[in-house]
Amino acid sequence: EADIYQTPRYLVIGTGKKITLECSQTMGHDKMYWYQQDPGMELHLIHYSYGVNSTEKGDLSSESTVSRIRTEHFPLTLESARPSHTSQYLCASSESFTAGTEAFFGQGTRLTVV
Amino acid sequence: QKEVEQNSGPLSVPEGAIASLNCTYSDRVSQSFFWYRQYSGKSPELIMSIYSNGDKEDGRFTAQLNKASQYVSLLIRDSQPSDSATYLCAVSGSYIPTFGRGTSLIVHP
Repeated sequence: EADIYQTPRYLVIGTGKKITLECSQTMGHDKMYWYQQDPGMELHLIHYSYGVNSTEKGDLSSESTVSRIRTEHFPLTLESARPSHTSQYLCASSESFTAGTEAFFGQGTRLTVV
Repeated sequence: QKEVEQNSGPLSVPEGAIASLNCTYSDRVSQSFFWYRQYSGKSPELIMSIYSNGDKEDGRFTAQLNKASQYVSLLIRDSQPSDSATYLCAVSGSYIPTFGRGTSLIVHP
């Protein structure tokens, strides 16, 4: 059972608000990822991290930002939410000492911006 | 651009049949291959990983890898209605896994 947690599970927020989606893992994994997924659509990588103080942008351009101050914590922030940000956000983590190990996902945050 | 290709489906099979899901990838240096199951509205769940050529069996699931053909497949034996979901193929040659679009599987009673 993967120990990776996302909060909140569901969030409805007004346009222009600042929001932070939380992601924490207790497995000691160095690599962490944020994916965005619309219903019935593919996963899009928006941010990833190799470890503490490492953050990189993914394949899909995103107006969000991330930070990695602690190994277990990888929050995603939207400074000013817009309706186009409505989507499901999935956090994942994997070990780093060998390439290509499996990623484990949190339960996701379903964000609706009205 | 590293790509992972899957037929989006839906693949419809009767209960008890074998479901065969296929995936091709473009990056020849890929080392690790994964199958995830994703139920509607839920997050992906890892069901199989395979790293070397050949077959790997786990219960009703068998993953098959052919690196020369850049092809990986998942067989589900004795398919059940509860297997109805989207199956994502993921490939990793670096630290970043690349996911396919997924194949929708429908198992009808």
